[in-house]
Amino acid sequence: DTAVSQTPKYLVTQMGNDKSIKCEQNLGHDTMYWYKQDSKKFLKIMFSYNNKELIINETVPNRFSPKSPDKAHLNLHINSLELGDSAVYFCASSIIAGGSQFFGPGTRLTVL
Amino acid sequence: TQLLEQSPQFLSIQEGENLTVYCNSSSVFSSLQWYRQEPGEGPVLLVTVVTGGEVKKLKRLTFQFGDARKDSSLHITAAQPGDTGLYLCAPNNLNSGGSNYKLTFGKGTLLTVNP
Repeated sequence: DTAVSQTPKYLVTQMGNDKSIKCEQNLGHDTMYWYKQDSKKFLKIMFSYNNKELIINETVPNRFSPKSPDKAHLNLHINSLELGDSAVYFCASSIIAGGSQFFGPGTRLTVL
Repeated sequence: TQLLEQSPQFLSIQEGENLTVYCNSSSVFSSLQWYRQEPGEGPVLLVTVVTGGEVKKLKRLTFQFGDARKDSSLHITAAQPGDTGLYLCAPNNLNSGGSNYKLTFGKGTLLTVNP
């Protein structure tokens, strides 16, 4: 069974569209994260939720809105997509905040 | 804002060679994690070091945490093509008493081991 799964794996869309990425973990972890990895492979944290509560919110445009319906799920909705949003988005989870992280396979978003 | 540097940024070597990559900062960390990311995959945790001066071994990989807990190194002995990947260090700055726990990832060392 996949520990941290993300859907979709690939997402190609036009500028201005709204899209969502879903993440689920079956590890029983309390903390989940969204990271963005740009073309230079720099991995930067965007958000973190601990037990459905937002604990980290880095300087991210408010077009990005995370939602955690329960401890095992963390979704990312992006409004009005821009070219600069093109990147690979990784979901991750950990037992405690800041602990060893288990990453999903990533979602490659391409905005045309 | 802490400055975190990984070096070298790129490294291409032949199978069987040894190598060391570095992770340096001006800040003191409570712990530090090393990850390897293969193409098209998410990063995978290799090791966590916690104590200053700590050395951990994972088969041909040796990880060291600096005495002052500001830097770390990863040494690979007799590298193999399967070691190819992006090596990321991620120090942890735990803010005592708060809930702002996060990892800050370095920009990584992209290692290519040629057969």
